Amino acid sequence: ILNVEQSPQSLHVQEGDSTNFTCSFPSSNFYALHWYRWETAKSPEALFVMTLNGDEKKKGRISATLNTKEGYSYLYIKGSQPEDSATYLCAIWKGNAGNMLTFGGGTRLMVKP
Amino acid sequence: EPEVTQTPSHQVTQMGQEVILRCVPISNHLYFYWYRQILGQKVEFLVSFYNNEISEKSEIFDDQFSVERPDGSNFTLKIRSTKLEDSAMYFCASSEQGVGELFFGEGSRLTVL
Repeated sequence: ILNVEQSPQSLHVQEGDSTNFTCSFPSSNFYALHWYRWETAKSPEALFVMTLNGDEKKKGRISATLNTKEGYSYLYIKGSQPEDSATYLCAIWKGNAGNMLTFGGGTRLMVKP
Repeated sequence: EPEVTQTPSHQVTQMGQEVILRCVPISNHLYFYWYRQILGQKVEFLVSFYNNEISEKSEIFDDQFSVERPDGSNFTLKIRSTKLEDSAMYFCASSEQGVGELFFGEGSRLTVL
């Protein structure tokens, strides 16, 4: 069973704070990592798909880094806004696990105005 | 913007009844998936479907579950005889590539009484 862990489980920040959270995964047979943003009562939406060690991707105030050798990824949000409040999911494709994406438990971010 | 649509949004059923959850994936996508999330738990993979056949399935996807793409647009998940533990939010997703980002529907909440 592939174990994808995310920390923290939840996070409360003030508007304007920058924040980051972690996704850890077994580094063997790594193929790709996905980050999704999931707002309440909506569907998860992809933020990033990352495959290469050392990869860094950015979308507006959100960025992510990937370390496949040690098995972790960080998601950063700069200057959090209330509309950033959501659950952030990471998920892993393993090279030997067929056509399936394994999700972590998510980090629930709440940004207070 | 193309999107994945799911029906029904909520279904309540009695234990032992058959349930069919329906999904319309994005039209040019080739890979289709069902995931579910039991309240308070991780998003779990059920099955992936490509080229009119199952390409991967999890241990959860036992003989009580089946998937079908009956008419080239709909993608259905059938649970033959529902159990209490099947109560969950079921998400359909599709992707253009096998390891590309997934596009999720808004989910079908199944409550088994």
